[in-house]
Amino acid sequence: GAVVSQHPSWVICKSGTSVKIECRSLDFQATTMFWYRQFPKQSLMLMATSNEGSKATYEQGVEKDKFLINHASLTLSTLTVTSAHPEDSSFYICSARGHEQETQYFGPGTRLLVL
Amino acid sequence: AQSVTQPDIHITVSEGASLELRCNYSYGATPYLFWYVQSPGQGLQLLLKYFSGDTLVQGIKGFEAEFKRSQSSFNLRKPSVHWSDAAEYFCAVGALAGKSTFGDGTTLTVKP
Repeated sequence: GAVVSQHPSWVICKSGTSVKIECRSLDFQATTMFWYRQFPKQSLMLMATSNEGSKATYEQGVEKDKFLINHASLTLSTLTVTSAHPEDSSFYICSARGHEQETQYFGPGTRLLVL
Repeated sequence: AQSVTQPDIHITVSEGASLELRCNYSYGATPYLFWYVQSPGQGLQLLLKYFSGDTLVQGIKGFEAEFKRSQSSFNLRKPSVHWSDAAEYFCAVGALAGKSTFGDGTTLTVKP
């Protein structure tokens, strides 16, 4: 149990385009989802926390207009990188947590390359 | 504010040898502690977690960790390392319904 999927697993796009990444909890209801960014050989940097049906809470320094997060259902959250630029290239990982649970379950990640 | 320190950036052990990865945390209350493993290009897999009770917790893949409040530590151990254990290991501290803070990770290399 507690499986989280992400789609796509990797994406290459041109600078200036927008990219949407999906995060799904497959066998549980995720009341909270987290989006992280990870640079090579570095730890996870929390970008935002989203609760189902609410606006996402962004960490300091993360541009909310750049990284649009939607958590419209208990099993799906999306991250849209708008007007992507090469510096947005990174590994994006989502995690999901059920109601009053302590443990986050992570997706496999999405590698974004912006040319 | 909560924080996690993993003092060892890189550890190399021989296959079959024992392993200990260090983790120190800073947290104002009783912490929820986690160890995750990440293979290259993959997400994070939960190895084990501590919330309360017995301070020695068992996890998957033969890993265990011991919570020592007096030392603010939650070190990960395995008695005999396998080549497949080579990966990045992250310690994390969090709270119920709150955010988790991750350490910078320790890269484990296993020599044949």
